[in-house]
Amino acid sequence: QVQLQESGPGLVKASETLSLTCTVSGGSISSYYWNWIRQPAGKGLEWIGRIYSSGSTNYNPSLKSRVTMSVDTSKNQFSLNLNSVTAADTAVYYCARGQGWADYWGQGTLVTVSS
Amino acid sequence: EIVLTQSPATLSLSPGERATLSCRASQSVRSYLAWYQQKPGQAPRLLIYDASNRATGIPARFSGSGSGTDFTLTISSLEPEDFAVYYCQQRSNWPFTFGGGTKVEIK
Repeated sequence: QVQLQESGPGLVKASETLSLTCTVSGGSISSYYWNWIRQPAGKGLEWIGRIYSSGSTNYNPSLKSRVTMSVDTSKNQFSLNLNSVTAADTAVYYCARGQGWADYWGQGTLVTVSS
Repeated sequence: EIVLTQSPATLSLSPGERATLSCRASQSVRSYLAWYQQKPGQAPRLLIYDASNRATGIPARFSGSGSGTDFTLTISSLEPEDFAVYYCQQRSNWPFTFGGGTKVEIK
């Protein structure tokens, strides 16, 4: 059974960089798309971007100038960096697997941006 | 960006009743639409993909239909564990987008 686990700081200062890592267990990271999706408290879901195991990426245009994703196949991990954060970036961040659908999800991690 | 509009925002029903949820796209997404269920404090769970295909392990009481711009998720007979928020999501165009959600609550 594939499992995903997000890790990273739960508190980030405004204007700094949010960095999260997703560790995949129970299966290989190779030959799949891996995604970051976020959800502000009490609100809907936003697809941040996706990365293929080869390293090719697609970013949401609304965040493209601030987002970088990377993958480390040797560690079965992929990562998200979001720079110049503001309070609007406060959300639960999920990592998930899937090319177009997200069939496996991490439990989510709350990241709060402080001023 | 494709906008998905879900209706109603809230559906108040009793266990055993039929639930019908709607998702309308701002332009055609062909059959590239999925449905997810989310319970409080949990990640979303994939229910339906490509408009009408149940994901692995999803009970038969969940069914999806539609194509183009109009889609429906039907829960034939609500079980207590089905009360949750449901989201639709399209993968026709990047960026992939979600609808605003429909909350199915106990009447």
